[in-house]
Amino acid sequence: DSGVTQTPKHLITATGQRVTLRCSPRSGDLSVYWYQQSLDQGLQFLIQYYNGEERAKGNILERFSAQQFPDLHSELNLSSLELGDSALYFCASSVADNYGYTFGSGTRLTVV
Amino acid sequence: GQQLNQSPQSMFIQEGEDVSMNCTSSSIFNTWLWYKQDPGEGPVLLIALYKAGELTSNGRLTAQFGITRKDSFLNISASIPSDVGIYFCAGRGAETSYDKVIFGPGTSLSVIP
Repeated sequence: DSGVTQTPKHLITATGQRVTLRCSPRSGDLSVYWYQQSLDQGLQFLIQYYNGEERAKGNILERFSAQQFPDLHSELNLSSLELGDSALYFCASSVADNYGYTFGSGTRLTVV
Repeated sequence: GQQLNQSPQSMFIQEGEDVSMNCTSSSIFNTWLWYKQDPGEGPVLLIALYKAGELTSNGRLTAQFGITRKDSFLNISASIPSDVGIYFCAGRGAETSYDKVIFGPGTSLSVIP
């Protein structure tokens, strides 16, 4: 157990739908990062939050949004889902920017 | 933008052999990280490197932060079956302290007993 908790582990939904992925960071970690991993794209950085504020943005689609709450848990919202959004979505956390990340075990999203 | 290249893309080795893989970029990085991912799991941090030239070990694993700050390598000695997995290098750029970490495409390691 890495200490980073992601729910749900698996999600199957239809095109056009909206889903919310949840992440609880390791105790004491202020930064939360979201990554998308698909077979042909590797690990792609989506977005980072630090202590409730957006810190850095990667290749995140406009249909996707995220937030970090006062208790430091984070949610990634994916809307108007397309088949190509099927992937593993990982959350990671760290104490500060210049430390290695601890990853959760991911949410496998399948869009049908 | 910044991009990391890993080689080899995949490797098949006999149990007990040593393994070497590397990661290169055209950009300078401040931090190099090596992760291992088992099927269905999230990547697990193996080694973190913070200074050019730094050589760090973690059991049978040794990694180095290249002097040019554009590369890093990971060595695994005396491989065992549980070393099987995908090894990712990751780097944090030198442009700002908030630079995101980017990941290489991974090296897939298979160990033949």
